[in-house]
Amino acid sequence: EPEVTQTPSHQVTQMGQEVILRCVPISNHLYFYWYRQILGQKVEFLVSFYNNEISEKSEIFDDQFSVERPDGSNFTLKIRSTKLEDSAMYFCASIGEYEQYFGPGTRLTVT
Amino acid sequence: KNEVEQSPQNLTAQEGEFITINCSYSVGISALHWLQQHPGGGIVSLFMLSSGKKKHGRLIATINIQEKHSSLHITASHPRDSAVYICAVGRNTDKLIFGTGTRLQVFP
Repeated sequence: EPEVTQTPSHQVTQMGQEVILRCVPISNHLYFYWYRQILGQKVEFLVSFYNNEISEKSEIFDDQFSVERPDGSNFTLKIRSTKLEDSAMYFCASIGEYEQYFGPGTRLTVT
Repeated sequence: KNEVEQSPQNLTAQEGEFITINCSYSVGISALHWLQQHPGGGIVSLFMLSSGKKKHGRLIATINIQEKHSSLHITASHPRDSAVYICAVGRNTDKLIFGTGTRLQVFP
């Protein structure tokens, strides 16, 4: 069965550092998403991406965040200067004909 | 007010019990998703519904578009069903809007 993969599974970083979270969506999917879940809270939308550009972004997705699809397979989320409040589980998803497929998540811990 | 409301927030059951989790939403949608989140954090899609009812094994999901309400039922519950069940709604390829989840614990 096709699956979305994410790396790393866990990233620990110091406040102010840049992090790049990587995702490989399912190959024939066209719409990609990043969501995040702060511990104990509900999943929140960050950004959607289609045709090599952002189609929608939330208020959370400020200038510190960026996404790109550098090589047609990877889909990355970059946080330029991490804050303590960026600590969360970050999920990548891609949409197929019948459902959204979620990656296993990257747990980001900012210290 | 949340656009997606789930009830109950927490649910405990004895093995074998029939379980119902409810979801109400206030926005226009093209599909409703039921998702399962394991203790490790990963999210698995259980169902995507746009109308009627779907069944997969011991899981049944129903949706009433007019009432903006969906239910997830688990028949003959088992300890391995213990997880957080999340309702999420979306329109076409738009983002999903998530409920806060229902934490289910099934005891042997």
